[in-house]
Amino acid sequence: RKEVEQDPGPFNVPEGATVAFNCTYSNSASQSFFWYRQDCRKEPKLLMSVYSSGNEDGRFTAQLNRASQYISLLIRDSKLSDSATYLCVVVTSGTYKYIFGTGTRLKVLA
Amino acid sequence: DVKVTQSSRYLVKRTGEKVFLECVQDMDHENMFWYRQDPGLGLRLIYFSYDVKMKEKGDIPEGYSVSREKKERFSLILESASTNQTSMYLCASVDRFRRGEQYFGPGTRLTVT
Repeated sequence: RKEVEQDPGPFNVPEGATVAFNCTYSNSASQSFFWYRQDCRKEPKLLMSVYSSGNEDGRFTAQLNRASQYISLLIRDSKLSDSATYLCVVVTSGTYKYIFGTGTRLKVLA
Repeated sequence: DVKVTQSSRYLVKRTGEKVFLECVQDMDHENMFWYRQDPGLGLRLIYFSYDVKMKEKGDIPEGYSVSREKKERFSLILESASTNQTSMYLCASVDRFRRGEQYFGPGTRLTVT
């Protein structure tokens, strides 16, 4: 079983739609969680960290469910510019190892 | 503005050549990483360095070595390039004490022919 798993997609959604991605992780000792965005042929960039209490940044909301070992990303009012690959990243307690999911591809259609 | 730079965006090398990929960060970060990214496999950690001259193997270190002589610079070396090392190589750094955002360089797309 992979340490971090994501649905690769693509998720094709119309502009203005709400879309949600989940990411599951296998190590219960994981302590830090992030969502990164990666545009085609570019480097990954931090979208948001994921806190235990959940957090929101504009149209983006991230949640953590430790009991079920998954994190989620919700995007409201999708824009064409949101089209990208979204990477889930997990850091295990006591290590500096960042485990990346393979990414979920989002296409927002006009 | 924080910055991680990599020596080349695109590189074409022949099988058997020794290849050097360089990464420089200007954020005084202790921790630096080398990943390769392949379709369907995501980012895989090759090597990690937590201080000058200190390194740890990642998940796929075979065929690679690294060098960290100065805090700001982390080099990846392919001792004898092979076609299965054709990939996108990404360098990243992070502040040791924050364990937060990893900052990535723009990547080097290496083709070995």
